[in-house]
Amino acid sequence: DTEVTQTPKHLVMGMTNKKSLKCEQHMGHRAMYWYKQKAKKPPELMFVYSYEKLSINESVPSRFSPECPNSSLLNLHLHALQPEDSALYLCASSQGTGDIYGYTFGSGTRLTVV
Amino acid sequence: GQNIDQPTEMTATEGAIVQINCTYQTSGFNGLFWYQQHAGEAPTFLSYNVLDGLEEKGRFSSFLSRSKGYSYLLLKELQMKDSASYLCAVKGNNRLAFGKGNQVVVIP
Repeated sequence: DTEVTQTPKHLVMGMTNKKSLKCEQHMGHRAMYWYKQKAKKPPELMFVYSYEKLSINESVPSRFSPECPNSSLLNLHLHALQPEDSALYLCASSQGTGDIYGYTFGSGTRLTVV
Repeated sequence: GQNIDQPTEMTATEGAIVQINCTYQTSGFNGLFWYQQHAGEAPTFLSYNVLDGLEEKGRFSSFLSRSKGYSYLLLKELQMKDSASYLCAVKGNNRLAFGKGNQVVVIP
């Protein structure tokens, strides 16, 4: 299995809702990442997990809460989002965070906040 | 921090050659990646350069000059399916930071 799987593919949520995005990989990768991508913009790093521990938080608002239950799974819990949070949320994984490792990306969750 | 610059859009004919440039400034450098991204899809890996010079992979080649903070991606024998956004991304400080991306439109 050489894929990163993200669910759901599309999500519409209200500003008072609580929802979660899920990401799964079975490549034995020990680093996982959340990126946010707005239309016609590059992906922007949000969080980095290394060996199931949060190692980088790029000053992301607390309404986004990441969780790594085990080495294969990465969640992003969403609460009280704003319409400007609507974007494509990409998950990625790599063998490690050391700089020689390339990333494998999932196909993303397209989130719309109404 | 990292500052990565790419031009935004270009149109080219099927069968042609296209060069996409990327310049970067970064406090830590451990390689440069090129990704292809079709609209609404995940970025897919194309190439990786960490040493100066040219890396060739089929129709795609990538060049790096670390002293100039410069890379380019060369796409040869363009096909319609090559219409996509091409992103350069710099690895450093345990982060992968992307440039704005360059949209390539291939026309018959």
